[in-house]
Amino acid sequence: DQQVKQNSPSLSVQEGRISILNCDYTNSMFDYFLWYKKYPAEGPTFLISISSIKDKNEDGRFTVFLNKSAKHLSLHIVPSQPGDSAVYFCAASAYENSGNTPLVFGKGTRLSVIA
Amino acid sequence: EPEVTQTPSHQVTQMGQEVILRCVPISNHLYFYWYRQILGQKVEFLVSFYNNEISEKSEIFDDQFSVERPDGSNFTLKIRSTKLEDSAMYFCASSLAESTDTQYFGPGTRLTVL
Repeated sequence: DQQVKQNSPSLSVQEGRISILNCDYTNSMFDYFLWYKKYPAEGPTFLISISSIKDKNEDGRFTVFLNKSAKHLSLHIVPSQPGDSAVYFCAASAYENSGNTPLVFGKGTRLSVIA
Repeated sequence: EPEVTQTPSHQVTQMGQEVILRCVPISNHLYFYWYRQILGQKVEFLVSFYNNEISEKSEIFDDQFSVERPDGSNFTLKIRSTKLEDSAMYFCASSLAESTDTQYFGPGTRLTVL
């Protein structure tokens, strides 16, 4: 049951170019989305988030776009830097009467930025 | 910058043995979580803990698992009788508020069950 899907296990991008990481979800109740970055031997690190009332959120080189009708979000990194090489996880949560549901993670996309 | 710490970094155990994985969340955080990641698979939620009790748990978190906050700083995950399929990275996380607040993850404990 993959409620959050990251269909590209890996992505290679030249330094300075744009990296676009994609994420699809199936649960229409999800209303909060997050991207985490993970380096080897470290835990995931929060990167950026977006709530369903917005379609774009920007933080420096990182922008997340949300297309609710397509149940799709993407993370744009521009310009990409070698230090961005990591595994990126998309995660989602839904609000219920009892509070927010636990985060559901995708399988991750390994980004390699080539100098 | 405050961080979540976990010990040990790697635990090797025999099938059927009990293991305790330890975590020290960020000191002013109120919500605590355990996740696991089986090699090559996604990060999966196990359990959340707030106000000294479990607030949510997944189907994975069966009777073999338990969590405890034995003192004001530690948060532990116990697996009573480990199985081969328990081999995974176990991540602890904490947040100031509930799950949509930024969760800070520890570096993980790699559990290997032989």
